[in-house]
Amino acid sequence: QQPVQSPQAVILREGEDAVINCSSSKALYSVHWYRQKHGEAPVFLMILLKGGEQKGHDKISASFNEKKQQSSLYLTASQLSYSGTYFCGTEWAGASGTYKYIFGTGTRLKVLA
Amino acid sequence: ETGVTQSPTHLIKTRGQQVTLRCSSQSGHNTVSWYQQALGQGPQFIFQYYREEENGRGNFPPRFSGLQFPNYSSELNVNALELDDSALYLCASSRGGTGYYNEQFFGPGTRLTVL
Repeated sequence: QQPVQSPQAVILREGEDAVINCSSSKALYSVHWYRQKHGEAPVFLMILLKGGEQKGHDKISASFNEKKQQSSLYLTASQLSYSGTYFCGTEWAGASGTYKYIFGTGTRLKVLA
Repeated sequence: ETGVTQSPTHLIKTRGQQVTLRCSSQSGHNTVSWYQQALGQGPQFIFQYYREEENGRGNFPPRFSGLQFPNYSSELNVNALELDDSALYLCASSRGGTGYYNEQFFGPGTRLTVL
């Protein structure tokens, strides 16, 4: 089961804030966040490595609650350039202990002028 | 610093054929991961190569295979193509292997259409 993101989609006006959540049914040891614009490859935003860690980049920040197996991405004073689909991602061990990388279900975000 | 490159950009094949996609990793990166992204879906992990060895694999059949070369570039081979293989194939490079530091940089992708 891949991490579930909420909301599935959100529409904002420029300058508004948004929160995107990522919840996992399995233990999370790290969380990565990406943004993918239509027709382009995903772009890495940030990585959170331990519980409680918060990171920020310009007006985009994220938190990671290891106990709740959740991460949240915060977009403050959104800009038109923030439009795209946001994915969380994490590394899991498969049934035999092999490495797997799993993306979340995705959140489509559109910022209107 | 050269980014991740992929070739070809687009490809059209017919069912049953075989295809090879190529990826050059970013300078200084020794790990390459391959993903399949169907239209409107998120990327699905196919496998990862670290220092020329397969390091992990997603839920893809054996007809999806790969290679990593000493210069850390990589190939994805798909045999006996099926219509459902039509997708954008992305490769991503990163430093290190399994672990928590996989800041992945994606290439632009190869759009494969199977008719």
